[in-house]
Amino acid sequence: GDSVTQTEGPVTVSESESLIINCTYSATSIAYPNLFWYVRYPGEGLQLLLKVITAGQKGSSRGFEATYNKETTSFHLQKASVQESDSAVYYCALGESQGGRALIFGTGTTVSVSP
Amino acid sequence: DPKIIQKPKYLVAVTGSEKILICEQYLGHNAMYWYRQSAKKPLEFMFSYSYQKLMDNQTASSRFQPQSSKKNHLDLQITALKPDDSATYFCASSQDLGGNTEVFFGKGTRLTVV
Repeated sequence: GDSVTQTEGPVTVSESESLIINCTYSATSIAYPNLFWYVRYPGEGLQLLLKVITAGQKGSSRGFEATYNKETTSFHLQKASVQESDSAVYYCALGESQGGRALIFGTGTTVSVSP
Repeated sequence: DPKIIQKPKYLVAVTGSEKILICEQYLGHNAMYWYRQSAKKPLEFMFSYSYQKLMDNQTASSRFQPQSSKKNHLDLQITALKPDDSATYFCASSQDLGGNTEVFFGKGTRLTVV
């Protein structure tokens, strides 16, 4: 089936350190997968962080980057230097370019950045 | 201002009872969704609606019934509640249905069934 697997949390990093959250996907019934990272800050709803719809392309936002790798079916999220304000839950998600199905999400990874 | 309002924020219910989770969106979107997340599990898709019509239902149980009285409302009625129903329920919306448009989420209703 179609699914998303991501790093199990919680992940704790110190401010200014680098962060990577792994995400792999399985898209057996989706011909042209779109990949997303959503973030949920404390007390807020999920919001889109970045999106990539073409294999081989990189998306970036707020210092985060993720590259859509079709060969390894991965979409890892990285940031070179995190800040305390990056403490949040990060969700990798899979969607399809055509058709009406809703997004498929991973479990979410809780990230805590210590000062 | 929150554009997707979910009520209540927290809810405690007794096993066997019935509850309604409220969701309203003020984004002018045509598609609305319900997702659910239990501890250690993925954010799980439940229902999608487009123009007030049910488009997809991935819940195995008929105890979960979405209700759309207006285009910008999608409430979730849950009957015969069980402890396993304890989760955070997220309402979401997008301009149109599909996996290519940005989805906006509410802050969630945390349901605990005792």
